[in-house]
Amino acid sequence: GENVEQHPSTLSVQEGDSAVIKCTYSDSASNYFPWYKQELGKRPQLIIDIRSNVGEKKDQRIAVTLNKTAKHFSLHITETQPEDSAVYFCAAPRAGGFKTIFGAGTRLFVKA
Amino acid sequence: NAGVTQTPKFRILKIGQSMTLQCTQDMNHNYMYWYRQDPGMGLKLIYYSVGAGITDKGEVPNGYNVSRSTTEDFPLRLELAAPSQTSVYFCASSTHGRRDTEAFFGQGTRLTVV
Repeated sequence: GENVEQHPSTLSVQEGDSAVIKCTYSDSASNYFPWYKQELGKRPQLIIDIRSNVGEKKDQRIAVTLNKTAKHFSLHITETQPEDSAVYFCAAPRAGGFKTIFGAGTRLFVKA
Repeated sequence: NAGVTQTPKFRILKIGQSMTLQCTQDMNHNYMYWYRQDPGMGLKLIYYSVGAGITDKGEVPNGYNVSRSTTEDFPLRLELAAPSQTSVYFCASSTHGRRDTEAFFGQGTRLTVV
């Protein structure tokens, strides 16, 4: 069945350092890979996504890389800032979107 | 567009009571989902729907029921509330077909069962 594993569960970095969060998925039919950020007490919101015909996508300080052969994709945040502190979720919907399953989440702490 | 709207935002139920969490979206999305999020935990899929009249179970469906009579609405029904159902509930919607899109979430319903 579908499974999305996300690592690490907690990540603490100094302000200005980089943070990397990795997800692996099991369904080879998945072709859309979003990352969501959830601030404390708020709803999850999309921050970046990538489709299977692209290997890397960048938006200012955040980037996502995809390795379809290995079935993993990663979120990269450079020059981290305290406002990046949040929980980050990956997801790997099956082609057609059935049963969008989220990773368990990564709690990122950015220390000033 | 209002996006995804959930009501109520907060609710306290007594054990054994029932309630319906309302969710409506105005983006004409075909897919809708209900997730629960326990404190400090991830999102667990309760039920989902791929279109009006079609619903299916997710990872944790026990104790819940859903219906999808229209594209816009996807209510979640709790029968015989139990303390284990204390959680934050998120409704979400997305489009899938020729091109998948992100999931848009409602603001959440914080439910406490005492």
